[in-house]
Order: sequence, then C-alpha cells, then structure tokens
Amino acid sequence: KAGVTQTPRYLIKTRGQQVTLSCSPISGHRSVSWYQQTPGQGLQFLFEYFSETQRNKGNFPGRFSGRQFSNSRSEMNVSTLELGDSALYLCASSLVVGWGQTNTEAFFGQGTRLTVV
Amino acid sequence: QQPVQSPQAVILREGEDAVINCSSSKALYSVHWYRQKHGEAPVFLMILLKGGEQKGHDKISASFNEKKQQSSLYLTASQLSYSGTYFCGTERDDYKLSFGAGTTVTVRA
Repeated sequence: KAGVTQTPRYLIKTRGQQVTLSCSPISGHRSVSWYQQTPGQGLQFLFEYFSETQRNKGNFPGRFSGRQFSNSRSEMNVSTLELGDSALYLCASSLVVGWGQTNTEAFFGQGTRLTVV
Repeated sequence: QQPVQSPQAVILREGEDAVINCSSSKALYSVHWYRQKHGEAPVFLMILLKGGEQKGHDKISASFNEKKQQSSLYLTASQLSYSGTYFCGTERDDYKLSFGAGTTVTVRA
C-alpha cells in the first residue's frame, strides 16, 4: 500500500511569508502527527490530529497551526516565517482507532525541507 | 516533555554490542523506538508497553522499566546496517508521543 506522502519535498521562503505543507496518510489511518526536526534537537512534536480534531499540541508558538480533513489528509501552516523555522518537517500517520487509544506504530513521510532566507 | 537519551553518539565495530538509554521524568504508558538513516524517514523498530515486557527485532531488543520511567535499547552483535540515529519516543497518559534528541550509531567494518 502507498506510504505517507508529503508535499512539497523542498521549499524556500523568505522571512515574514507564510507556508502550507501537506500530508497524505496511509489509507485507513486517522491519526496524523507533525514533527519539526533540526540537527541536535531530534523530533520536536508539533501537533496530532485524529478524525479532524486536534488531540494534542506541542510547545510551539501560535504561528504554527494545522488541520485535518475528512479524508484524513492534513495540512500544516506556518505564518510570519522566521529564520529559525528552517527545518525538516515530518508527518507521521498511525492506526489509532479511538480518541482514547494510545499511539501505535507510526509511519513517517519523507518530510518537507523548509528553508527560510 | 522530551525524554532524555544517552549516549548522544556511539561508534562500534561490527560484532560489538551497545546500549542506548531513554529516560523520562514523568510516568510513561509506552516507549517507542525508531531508527533513521541519513536522508531517510524514521522507521519503526518496536513499542514497549507498561509491564516491563522486553521485545526484540532481529538482534535489537529493548526493555522498559516503568517504575524508573526508563527504557534501554540493546544492539547485539552489531551489523553495518545498524548505523543510523535511534530515537526513543515516550507516551504518557495524554497520548502525546514525544521523541528524544536521538543517539547516532556508527558501525564500522
């Protein structure tokens, strides 16, 4: 079956602009999580969506937002970009079947490499 | 809150063993382990649930001590293919999966 697809793969933006990243999860997966990866910081949790509702949120400023559609596809938006937002943004989907269910194996996409200049 | 991984990096020769530790200051429900090779997406290795069960994946195994909120990943008889960055992910009762900073493993012939 098809894996997690993230688009675009690479993006260059200037400070102050906004950006939208897209993630299509594995078919049947209703949970989508977003992570920011930078050297030395590992995977920083941004948020998780389950059935179009945000189930969890990390410690990022309000400039970072997301949403999930009825087909489980998810988008992440970053407004007023800063140089420090340059990173690899990873999306992961998992087969969580209920709001109160723990996370199962997560399948990661290849990521979107965002460079802010 | 991010779990703490140690060591940050380890260099091994083929056939040697290594242990990667992951600890949290909060009570955990589960611990996940992933490996990421350079330029690739992280790949799932295993999940350990409360109960201290030890799991294995080829010659890679892990344990989870819920009382100490710690997990350890054991690389046994390492192979060149074990090279990569290993991440532990911890889940609390809020279902948020938080990852550590990673441990870079380099296996040399």
